[in-house]
Amino acid sequence: AQSVAQPEDQVNVAEGNPLTVKCTYSVSGNPYLFWYVQYPNRGLQFLLKYITGDNLVKGSYGFEAEFNKSQTSFHLKKPSALVSDSALYFCAVRDRGSGNTGKLIFGQGTTLQVKP
Amino acid sequence: DAGVIQSPRHEVTEMGQEVTLRCKPISGHNSLFWYRQTMMRGLELLIYFNNNVPIDDSGMPEDRFSAKMPNASFSTLKIQPSEPRDSAVYFCASSRNRDLVIEAFFGQGTRLTVV
Repeated sequence: AQSVAQPEDQVNVAEGNPLTVKCTYSVSGNPYLFWYVQYPNRGLQFLLKYITGDNLVKGSYGFEAEFNKSQTSFHLKKPSALVSDSALYFCAVRDRGSGNTGKLIFGQGTTLQVKP
Repeated sequence: DAGVIQSPRHEVTEMGQEVTLRCKPISGHNSLFWYRQTMMRGLELLIYFNNNVPIDDSGMPEDRFSAKMPNASFSTLKIQPSEPRDSAVYFCASSRNRDLVIEAFFGQGTRLTVV
């Protein structure tokens, strides 16, 4: 069965410092991996995805993530955090399934708090 | 495109009443997902459809929950009878699954309160 783990409930960083939000996954075969962000009282917004190819993927708002197959990890990173990055971040994994139509499940979420 | 549209945005109902949540996916998308979000349990996948067919409903908590997708542009999630522990935010999402565009797009959610 596929699963996603986000080991930190909350990450605190100072504005201007680099940030990392951790994610590990478990799925048979090669997965699709995603990061989403959720602001208060809003739906989830797609940030970036890994499908194949280059292990470092770049997404919206200066975020990037590195796929590490041996460690089954997909950590979210940003070189310089902004106060406006404060939000709830979700990692997700999708089984490739048949015709890219597999199950999409999410981690528990990590609250990112960026302080001025 | 207007994105995934969910209605109502907020629903307050009394225990024992039937509740129906509605979702219109993005046109041309062929997967549709229903999720429930609570503080205690996070974001849980309840059920998902491919080409209007339910594929996996193992996340549906009880027989009180049912979901349908009568056509490619509409889905419902029904709770009958509702209970206070069903209070949560329910999200619908859809994905295209073609040309490497496989990410899901979410609606704004329906906040359900059962009193």
